[in-house]
Amino acid sequence: SQQGEEDPQALSIQEGENATMNCSYKTSINNLQWYRQNSGRGLVHLILIRSNEREKHSGRLRVTLDTSKKSSSLLITASRAADTASYFCATDASGNKLVFGAGTILRVKS
Amino acid sequence: AAGVIQSPRHLIKEKRETATLKCYPIPRHDTVYWYQQGPGQDPQFLISFYEKMQSDKGSIPDRFSAQQFSDYHSELNMSSLELGDSALYFCASSSMGGRVTQYFGPGTRLTVL
Repeated sequence: SQQGEEDPQALSIQEGENATMNCSYKTSINNLQWYRQNSGRGLVHLILIRSNEREKHSGRLRVTLDTSKKSSSLLITASRAADTASYFCATDASGNKLVFGAGTILRVKS
Repeated sequence: AAGVIQSPRHLIKEKRETATLKCYPIPRHDTVYWYQQGPGQDPQFLISFYEKMQSDKGSIPDRFSAQQFSDYHSELNMSSLELGDSALYFCASSSMGGRVTQYFGPGTRLTVL
């Protein structure tokens, strides 16, 4: 990945459990976004957190941002089988283009 | 709500052929971005346009060119196709020239044989 690493690369959990994915990046940012991608499909925007924000919630999603550590985490609570997908973080590190992390493959078993 | 539209959704070409991918941004979005995602890879930025002018350029091969038209739709032209060009090509759009949420289209899956 151009920007950084996502951790873990793959995660398998039971339905109802929480899933936490981490993302690290290398440069200063204006904002960080999380996207979901079902296998071979389009990227669905989940949430955007700005560099001056530390935490943001949207439904079952909770995102944190630590600019001093250049890292972010995405927490999905009470996971469902439909949450099975790849999750990418993306930063606008340089200009307006997005630089994506390597992604975490999440599998939620029912 | 209207989303980003990409056409075609699937495209199969032979080596050395040309391909044209089209992108129709969300209404009133003035910025379009193109990304390439190889198998098992994260999306890589290719090029972007703001108000019909190229605004940023990434790892786009010289064989590729793109433009944004007066109605804000964009086309990615790919010539002398190579096997390695097989990928998902995404278009995204945003408003206000960027630094806000980018909304992605469903992608065009290009297969080069």
